[in-house]
Amino acid sequence: NAGVTQTPKFRVLKTGQSMTLLCAQDMNHEYMYWYRQDPGMGLRLIHYSVGEGTTAKGEVPDGYNVSRLKKQNFLLGLESAAPSQTSVYFCASRGTVEVYEQYFGPGTRLTVT
Amino acid sequence: GDSVTQMEGPVTLSEEAFLTINCTYTATGYPSLFWYVQYPGEGLQLLLKATKADDKGSNKGFEATYRKETTSFHLEKGSVQVSDSAVYFCALSVNNAGNNRKLIWGLGTSLAVNP
Repeated sequence: NAGVTQTPKFRVLKTGQSMTLLCAQDMNHEYMYWYRQDPGMGLRLIHYSVGEGTTAKGEVPDGYNVSRLKKQNFLLGLESAAPSQTSVYFCASRGTVEVYEQYFGPGTRLTVT
Repeated sequence: GDSVTQMEGPVTLSEEAFLTINCTYTATGYPSLFWYVQYPGEGLQLLLKATKADDKGSNKGFEATYRKETTSFHLEKGSVQVSDSAVYFCALSVNNAGNNRKLIWGLGTSLAVNP
């Protein structure tokens, strides 16, 4: 099993450009999450999904959109990138209500110039 | 609101030294507590967990005990190795809307172990 994969691994954008980050999991997990990790700020939840076709806002959703059209995929979109969105983005998934553990992908390092 | 506070790093130790990374929390109800580890260039992975008071989580020589009276979940290891060099995150799990069990994260503590 690949677990949780993220593409791309690295990306450089100019201010105002758009892009989509793809997260895929092969564990048949219901819950999926997008976080950003910034120095000195730990992990912050951007958006999450509790099942196929559902999405919800986390702590820092502004400037991002998400979609969960298929259970195994969770997409994070930036419509108009800003330098403040320079960060490392992690996707995670979790199986069921009873299971606590979140499984993380390897991350995407995004730089917006 | 719910929060996690962990000791600031970086922590630098020599191989075979004793490790303690402090973590305290504020939460309503009865949260579950976790330690995650992030090795360089990788995503986070669960190191250990405890789901109720007085539980001890353990894995790879690391231990942490859920202390409700002191609202703490300190991470310890008796003899660290160079391969333990990583960033360690304390987290707690709370239920929120939709029974999502959101994780609340500490800021992370960087550990460097020298040979």
